[in-house]
Amino acid sequence: NAGVTQTPKFRILKIGQSMTLQCTQDMNHNYMYWYRQDPGMGLKLIYYSVGAGITDKGEVPNGYNVSRSTTEDFPLRLELAAPSQTSVYFCASTSRDSPLHFGNGTRLTVT
Amino acid sequence: EDQVTQSPEALRLQEGESSSLNCSYTVSGLRGLFWYRQDPGKGPEFLFTLYSAGEEKEKERLKATLTKKESFLHITAPKPEDSATYLCAVQAGGGYNKLIFGAGTRLAVHP
Repeated sequence: NAGVTQTPKFRILKIGQSMTLQCTQDMNHNYMYWYRQDPGMGLKLIYYSVGAGITDKGEVPNGYNVSRSTTEDFPLRLELAAPSQTSVYFCASTSRDSPLHFGNGTRLTVT
Repeated sequence: EDQVTQSPEALRLQEGESSSLNCSYTVSGLRGLFWYRQDPGKGPEFLFTLYSAGEEKEKERLKATLTKKESFLHITAPKPEDSATYLCAVQAGGGYNKLIFGAGTRLAVHP
């Protein structure tokens, strides 16, 4: 099992550019989450999904979009990148009543 | 307002010098408290879940305890490989979309 895989590992964007952060899991987990981690702050939930076709906003959804067309994949889309979106992004997945499994993150810089 | 505070922000220990990390929380309807370890450039890795006051969990040199207001992660005779950031998270009812993370404690263990 690869677990949760995130790509790319690093990315530099110019203000106003778009990109998609990829996340895939091979554990057949229904629940998937996107977090951002900023220095000195706890992980903040951006969006989550409880199954294919179902997504919902977390604490900090502005500037992001998600889709969940399959159980395995949960991509995060940034449409118009802003410096405030410079962060490390983590994808996580779980089945009911088990702890979160995290990917190794995407470090994004917007300049 | 639900809140999780970890202290200290950073801790430097000599190898073999035992210590404790603190996670204090204010939350209505605690469903669980989680400890994660995060190595540089990696995603958080699950350590423990605690559900009720008085509960304790152990793994190698780590022991987690829980009261109604806080949790401690005790590290006994640490080794350099225990160096990492330790994250605490509280599930405030519902599913993991209600998970609140602390900012973490950066632990450095020197030989």
